[in-house]
Amino acid sequence: AQKVTQAQTEISVVEKEDVTLDCVYETRDTTYYLFWYKQPPSGELVFLIRRNSFDEQNEISGRYSWNFQKSTSSFNFTITASQVVDSAVYFCALNDYKLSFGAGTTVTVRA
Amino acid sequence: NAGVTQTPKFQVLKTGQSMTLQCAQDMNHEYMSWYRQDPGMGLRLIHYSVGAGITDQGEVPNGYNVSRSTTEDFPLRLLSAAPSQTSVYFCASGGPGPSYEQYFGPGTRLTVT
Repeated sequence: AQKVTQAQTEISVVEKEDVTLDCVYETRDTTYYLFWYKQPPSGELVFLIRRNSFDEQNEISGRYSWNFQKSTSSFNFTITASQVVDSAVYFCALNDYKLSFGAGTTVTVRA
Repeated sequence: NAGVTQTPKFQVLKTGQSMTLQCAQDMNHEYMSWYRQDPGMGLRLIHYSVGAGITDQGEVPNGYNVSRSTTEDFPLRLLSAAPSQTSVYFCASGGPGPSYEQYFGPGTRLTVT
């Protein structure tokens, strides 16, 4: 059974628009860790953020923000004022001792 | 620090051929893993290792073998390549528990004809 669902396959926006990426996860464990990774067109995978299941404090880092809600099993990611360089595939991942990735959301930011 | 290195970068195999994808890391990480990335499916875990001499299966282990004789190296072997194994393969390493982020290699693009 899929443990991480990213329902949005592709999102296309114009520069300066905000983009929110949805991630819903499923696990029976009470302790687990959630991640977001970015894969730019060059192909490498870059770690963005980690959250543990006990830390529901939302975070803002520059133009990025994350919204973790345990009650709805969601860990959403927002890019504020998007830029062309944000164009990439974004993956949500869950680690409850085996790392499971969602299918990814392709974000295209047009100038 | 080279991080996680993978060789080769590209490979074309004929059905039935065997080959080994190499992965090495210089960060002294205990945890290493192999993923395959296919369009629309994200990354799927093939095999992983929590330390030298210890390996386990991931989500899609069939057709692949691994071994971990040293902390640094974690090769992935395809014993008899099939077209269904055409994919991009990523090796990753990270700390000893699930709270640690994974550091990924640059990937190997494999085509099986």
